[in-house]
Amino acid sequence: NAGVMQNPRHLVRRRGQEARLRCSPMKGHSHVYWYRQLPEEGLKFMVYLQKENIIDESGMPKERFSAEFPKEGPSILRIQQVVRGDSAAYFCASSPEGTGSQPQHFGDGTRLSIL
Amino acid sequence: GNSVTQMEGPVTLSEEAFLTINCTYTATGYPSLFWYVQYPGEGLQLLLKATKADDKGSNKGFEATYRKETTSFHLEKGSVQVSDSAVYFCALRPSGGYQKVTFGTGTKLQVIP
Repeated sequence: NAGVMQNPRHLVRRRGQEARLRCSPMKGHSHVYWYRQLPEEGLKFMVYLQKENIIDESGMPKERFSAEFPKEGPSILRIQQVVRGDSAAYFCASSPEGTGSQPQHFGDGTRLSIL
Repeated sequence: GNSVTQMEGPVTLSEEAFLTINCTYTATGYPSLFWYVQYPGEGLQLLLKATKADDKGSNKGFEATYRKETTSFHLEKGSVQVSDSAVYFCALRPSGGYQKVTFGTGTKLQVIP
């Protein structure tokens, strides 16, 4: 009964490179959420996706960041031309629906370090 | 807009002490309320939830009661253990259509033997 799977757990990139973070939701979940957590801070919402659709990207920077959740395969958060300030833990969560009282289930995160 | 305010940490307690972590919220209507726990190096795990006024969520000795009149959802545990050391997040999800979850900033709990 696998939970939300994120990979890689740790990712190191040099400034200017691209970072690709993957998230496979729990079985039966079709709603995916991405959050960013800076050290000693809370979670900041970035984007909410359903299969093949971006529902809410109000928390995602307009430049360099993009997200997708294709019909087949995991959700991908892509950060182009990374900068030092992108260093953070990125968490993915999933839920069976986007409304109501259903909680979100979280993965263990990807810790991104920019050299 | 919606918001969640948690007491600032870190909170340091001795083993077997009583724990309270305050959480108040601002939202329209009747949101669902959650407490999540994050252990070092891990993601958030749902600890408990309540979906309507006066509901009490409970799990692993932790409790929280949904208080509509005071817009609060304080987390309590009667006797903490060293293994409870973690960061605790209060969160809300508004009712009615799609609404994203709003998290508090987290409260770090350290329990010493």
